[in-house]
Amino acid sequence: SQQGEEDPQALSIQEGENATMNCSYKTSINNLQWYRQNSGRGLVHLILIRSNEREKHSGRLRVTLDTSKKSSSLLITASRAADTASYFCATDAHGSGNTGKLIFGQGTTLQVKP
Amino acid sequence: NAGVTQTPKFRVLKTGQSMTLLCAQDMNHEYMYWYRQDPGMGLRLIHYSVGEGTTAKGEVPDGYNVSRLKKQNFLLGLESAAPSQTSVYFCASSYVRGRGEQFFGPGTRLTVL
Repeated sequence: SQQGEEDPQALSIQEGENATMNCSYKTSINNLQWYRQNSGRGLVHLILIRSNEREKHSGRLRVTLDTSKKSSSLLITASRAADTASYFCATDAHGSGNTGKLIFGQGTTLQVKP
Repeated sequence: NAGVTQTPKFRVLKTGQSMTLLCAQDMNHEYMYWYRQDPGMGLRLIHYSVGEGTTAKGEVPDGYNVSRLKKQNFLLGLESAAPSQTSVYFCASSYVRGRGEQFFGPGTRLTVL
């Protein structure tokens, strides 16, 4: 079963605009991570936010976490054509033990038009 | 460093054939994982390993076996391939005491006819 559900499934914007993707999850977590996947490639880690954090920044990325609503959002500011990719949230759930297991959402496909 | 590598990149099998996918990492990671990715399904965990000589089942283990005889290698086997196993397979690894991020290989695209 999927822990994370992402919204929207697909997003198309113009270069320079901001892109916001949302992730909801079902169980308590240790941390939530966002990954990026370019077409035909493996996933690349973008940013991790721990359960006791509310907001985190990395370059043009801003992630928020609301544990009371079991949701997170990823904001990409001033988007570029090179940001075109699929974005996945992944949760390290409580009870997963010392295994590092992650549960991935279904992803948001972002297209940035030049 | 090569990071995480996967062999082969592509493979076509007939129903009932067997094959082994190889994952290798040169980062001295303790944890390794095998996922499958299907359209609209995100990534689903097949099997994982928390150290050399250990393996455990993930979310969708049926029809697959794994082995971790060496710390740097994690093998995924299909004993009798079925069309439902047509997918893209990703291997990943991570540190025990790291931040929790996983490092992914480039994937293996498998088609079972």
